[in-house]
Amino acid sequence: DVKVTQSSRYLVKRTGEKVFLECVQDMDHENMFWYRQDPGLGLRLIYFSYDVKMKEKGDIPEGYSVSREKKERFSLILESASTNQTSMYLCASSSTGNGPSGANVLTFGAGSRLTVL
Amino acid sequence: AQSVTQPDIHITVSEGASLELRCNYSYGATPYLFWYVQSPGQGLQLLLKYFSGDTLVQGIKGFEAEFKRSQSSFNLRKPSVHWSDAAEYFCAALSGSARQLTFGSGTQLTVLP
Repeated sequence: DVKVTQSSRYLVKRTGEKVFLECVQDMDHENMFWYRQDPGLGLRLIYFSYDVKMKEKGDIPEGYSVSREKKERFSLILESASTNQTSMYLCASSSTGNGPSGANVLTFGAGSRLTVL
Repeated sequence: AQSVTQPDIHITVSEGASLELRCNYSYGATPYLFWYVQSPGQGLQLLLKYFSGDTLVQGIKGFEAEFKRSQSSFNLRKPSVHWSDAAEYFCAALSGSARQLTFGSGTQLTVLP
């Protein structure tokens, strides 16, 4: 069964700490995404990557950075955590494929719930 | 701007009743359309998708969705809801020129015994 694994399900951090959220996929997918999920706001895209060592900003990149050194791993970094970054973070991946039939269908991880005190 | 709207924040139905969750999109051209479900404490799982062709799409867990171009809608339906269907449901869209999904704000479904 294909999987997207987020290493930390629950984290509690203090304001100003540096936070790493790790995501690994075993499907050889080209594309990886980080979303933030907040009640009433749905999922908002933070960053995404279509290839190793490349990244593109999503809708809400401020306060975040990402790293993709290997195809299977995509890390989200909060350089200095703030209380307004308390949220659920979802990682997802997809293949590029040929045409729409297999591409752009996201496989999600279980999420990482971050609390910043 | 491209957007996906789910007008119902919360819906409550009795077990065995039928269900319809609404989704409207605002795009210049017909996008690819998706429904995802999120069970408590879990990530999102794809229920079904529409790319082209037959406007009635069958998905997993007995769900179906109908694409209506004239109404810019892609509503999710199920004839008889089970208690295990209680979850949050997200509609999403992808335009031909974009490479990432736009999600609606979600509809929380409660199922009464």
